[in-house]
Amino acid sequence: EAGVAQSPRYKIIEKRQSVAFWCNPISGHATLYWYQQILGQGPKLLIQFQNNGVVDDSQLPKDRFSAERLKGVDSTLKIQPAKLEDSAVYLCASSLDPQTLYEQYFGPGTRLTVT
Amino acid sequence: KQEVTQIPAALSVPEGENLVLNCSFTDSAIYNLQWFRQDPGKGLTSLLLIQSSQREQTSGRLNASLDKSSGRSTLYIAASQPGDSATYLCAVRGNTPLVFGKGTRLSVIA
Repeated sequence: EAGVAQSPRYKIIEKRQSVAFWCNPISGHATLYWYQQILGQGPKLLIQFQNNGVVDDSQLPKDRFSAERLKGVDSTLKIQPAKLEDSAVYLCASSLDPQTLYEQYFGPGTRLTVT
Repeated sequence: KQEVTQIPAALSVPEGENLVLNCSFTDSAIYNLQWFRQDPGKGLTSLLLIQSSQREQTSGRLNASLDKSSGRSTLYIAASQPGDSATYLCAVRGNTPLVFGKGTRLSVIA
C-alpha cells in the first residue's frame, strides 16, 4: 500500500514570509497528525484530525499556524508569518480509527529553513 | 505531564554486537508504546508497537519489552549490522498525544 505522502520535501524562506505544506495520508486512515521536529528533539504534536474535525490542537501556535483537512483526506499546514524558530522538519502521520490502538505511519517530512 | 527519556543519547558498537536501547516514561497510564527508526533526513519508520496489555513484541532481530508498572521499555537488537545505524525513538500513547523521547543515535561500525 502507498505510504503517507508529503510535499514539498524542502523549503527555504525568509522570516515573515508564509509557507504551506501538504499531506496525503494512507487511504482509509481516518486520523491525521502534524508534528514539528526540531533538530535533536523528538517530534512534537501540533494538531490531530479525526476525519475532517480537529481532535487536539493544544500545542499549535494559533497566532501563526493553521491547518485544515478538507473532505477528511488531504491536509495542509500553513505558517504565516514564519519566524526563525520555526525551522524544523514537519512530519505528517496517519493511523486507523480508533487512534489509541493503532500504529501511526509517518511521511518523509518537509524540512523548513527560515532565514 | 508525560515525559519520555531515552538512554543513551548516542551509542557506537562494532558490527555483530547485541545491544539494548532504553526508554523510560513518567506516567504508567499508557495505551501503547511504539519504537521508531529515523534515518538522516527521512521520516519515521515504525518498528514495533506494544499494547499496554502486552509484555513484548518481536520482529526479526528486534525485540521490544514493556514494563508498564516501572515505566520502562527496552529495544533489543541482535547481531547488529551497519544498516542498523540510525536514530531510534520511542513514543508513548496515553491520555495525551503521542509523546516522544529525544532518541538514541546508533552507529554500527563495520
